[in-house]
Amino acid sequence: DAKTTQPNSMESNEEEPVHLPCNHSTISGTDYIHWYRQLPSQGPEYVIHGLTSNVNNRMASLAIAEDRKSSTLILHRATLRDAAVYYCILIFNLNPYNQGGKLIFGQGTELSVKP
Amino acid sequence: SAVISQKPSRDICQRGTSLTIQCQVDSQVTMMFWYRQQPGQSLTLIATANQGSEATYESGFVIDKFPISRPNLTFSTLTVSNMSPEDSSIYLCSVEQGNYGYTFGSGTRLTVV
Repeated sequence: DAKTTQPNSMESNEEEPVHLPCNHSTISGTDYIHWYRQLPSQGPEYVIHGLTSNVNNRMASLAIAEDRKSSTLILHRATLRDAAVYYCILIFNLNPYNQGGKLIFGQGTELSVKP
Repeated sequence: SAVISQKPSRDICQRGTSLTIQCQVDSQVTMMFWYRQQPGQSLTLIATANQGSEATYESGFVIDKFPISRPNLTFSTLTVSNMSPEDSSIYLCSVEQGNYGYTFGSGTRLTVV
């Protein structure tokens, strides 16, 4: 699986937007970009994923560069509950239904949110 | 998305003993994954378990140490055998959920004394 690079840590203020970057310069055409977060003392939680186009859901937005070599997870208004480690992961998928791949975690970005 | 029940949530075990961790999913899934998270570290994939076939282990993990069962499409177990203090970690199971990404259990916090 292709490697991703994320900053070790970031800080944000409550109720401000947060942009979490991820570099994946060796991404292949069939790699999906997944984001997960792990709150303290919990298992990882799915946030969002995409292939080429920007994606939005109730939790976040995912902005994917045109060349797909980087992406940014956007939390529109950070809350204290968003303090977590955020993981950007590339996963090889054999078909559009996201079957068959395995998640390989890097070190992620530890996001702290200040009141 | 699926709901995963993982048991036990935590345990303290004597070195040299074994612990079996159970993972129950509320829907049928093809593949289940087992991870280890050592203190202060990220998650490391141990193995992938398909129903009806032997589990596939990642580099550094062997079946004798971490035997896995996958008797049906909703259940799997991971056994940590002949434990030592170095096995003290959080163990998590995970399943793929298509457009919902991957769902994780809440983990088993294992302490070996």
